[in-house]
Amino acid sequence: QLQLQESGPGLVKPSETLSLTCTVSGGSIDSSNYYWDWIRRPPGKGLQWIGNIHRSGIAHYNPSLKSRVTMSVDTSKNQFSLRLTSVTAADTAVYYCARHEGRNNWFDPWGQGTLVTVSS
Amino acid sequence: DIVMTQSPDSLAVSLGERATINCKSSQSVFHNSNNKNSLAWYQQKPGQPPKLLFYWASTRDSGVPDRFSASGSGTDFTLTISSLQAEDVALYYCQQCYATPFTFGQGTKLEIK
Repeated sequence: QLQLQESGPGLVKPSETLSLTCTVSGGSIDSSNYYWDWIRRPPGKGLQWIGNIHRSGIAHYNPSLKSRVTMSVDTSKNQFSLRLTSVTAADTAVYYCARHEGRNNWFDPWGQGTLVTVSS
Repeated sequence: DIVMTQSPDSLAVSLGERATINCKSSQSVFHNSNNKNSLAWYQQKPGQPPKLLFYWASTRDSGVPDRFSASGSGTDFTLTISSLQAEDVALYYCQQCYATPFTFGQGTKLEIK
């Protein structure tokens, strides 16, 4: 059974860079069929898709965050990562990693999520 | 971006009664190529990630109880729980899978009356 687990600092200072890693177990990230996504949920708000990356390294980002987001994939470690620069309090959220298949574009499964707080 | 709007924002239903959640997209999510609607529904319980309930607007994911059903086409969609159980208390989200950026509804909080 495929499982995803987010990891990274729970506290980031304003203007600094948020970095998270998602480790995939129970299956290989090195499949041409799948895209690996990041989604977040700010406190009291709804879900926001941040972007995704394919094993080839091709990434798609939400235009609202595109200038600050970089995603990468490490097939040797079965991991993919998110970097978000110049963070503000508005970036405080639970960050989830997830998978979607090809053009199906729904997300399943999801990681458990990790809370990242932006505060000095 | 395609804007997804759910109604109501919150809903209180008695155990055993029907619960209905609506989702409206700002543009059609119907694919002429495969005659399917690119819409998904999720259930999120406190402290847990969202769980996929339906995709292609009405296809139930594996393991989802059959008291859950979903329907709709084009821009208007509905999630129905035919007989509310205590374990159905959760947030429910719709998501358009039609085009990037993928977008979600604001969520509907379902509670027991």
